[in-house]
Amino acid sequence: GAGVSQTPSNKVTEKGKYVELRCDPISGHTALYWYRQSLGQGPEFLIYFQGTGAADDSGLPNDRFFAVRPEGSVSTLKIQRTERGDSAVYLCASSPNEGSYNEQFFGPGTRLTVL
Amino acid sequence: AQSVAQPEDQVNVAEGNPLTVKCTYSVSGNPYLFWYVQYPNRGLQFLLKYITGDNLVKGSYGFEAEFNKSQTSFHLKKPSALVSDSALYFCAVRPNTGNQFYFGTGTSLTVIP
Repeated sequence: GAGVSQTPSNKVTEKGKYVELRCDPISGHTALYWYRQSLGQGPEFLIYFQGTGAADDSGLPNDRFFAVRPEGSVSTLKIQRTERGDSAVYLCASSPNEGSYNEQFFGPGTRLTVL
Repeated sequence: AQSVAQPEDQVNVAEGNPLTVKCTYSVSGNPYLFWYVQYPNRGLQFLLKYITGDNLVKGSYGFEAEFNKSQTSFHLKKPSALVSDSALYFCAVRPNTGNQFYFGTGTSLTVIP
């Protein structure tokens, strides 16, 4: 079956611009996570959705970052006024329900480069 | 603060030999423990998890991991390494309260033919 997909696979933008990154989770998965992975580091938690609501956004680094999941399926991570330090691979993951012991299914990521 | 440590950036092992990839953690309570593998240009893939019960858990591709509560470790093991096991391995921990997963920095495993 189809896994988690993310678009675009690569995004190059200029400092100060606005970007949107999209995640299509596995159908029926209610839990959705966004992570940021910098070179040589492990994934860093950003935000967790259960259904349509952001159950935990404590990992968002500042108010330039925002994410939505209006219909409980597709999610969009939005970054305003991008900075060079935002350059990283942004990962999305989904899991079947909110059970904290469920494994996550990861997408291939979006590589964001801010020039 | 919650943290996960993978003390080895790189592990090299000869094909057919046993392999160990180390992970220790500092997380409050009784956490859930996971291992993921990342192949080049691929997303992270789940290998195995420890929730409760037997300290030795078995997962995909012949991998297993041993939970040691006193040492707060969850080392990944395989009795006989394959060249195709060469990849980047991440240990992850989720406290039993809250929603965050904490990942280690990853260990690059190279299996030498």
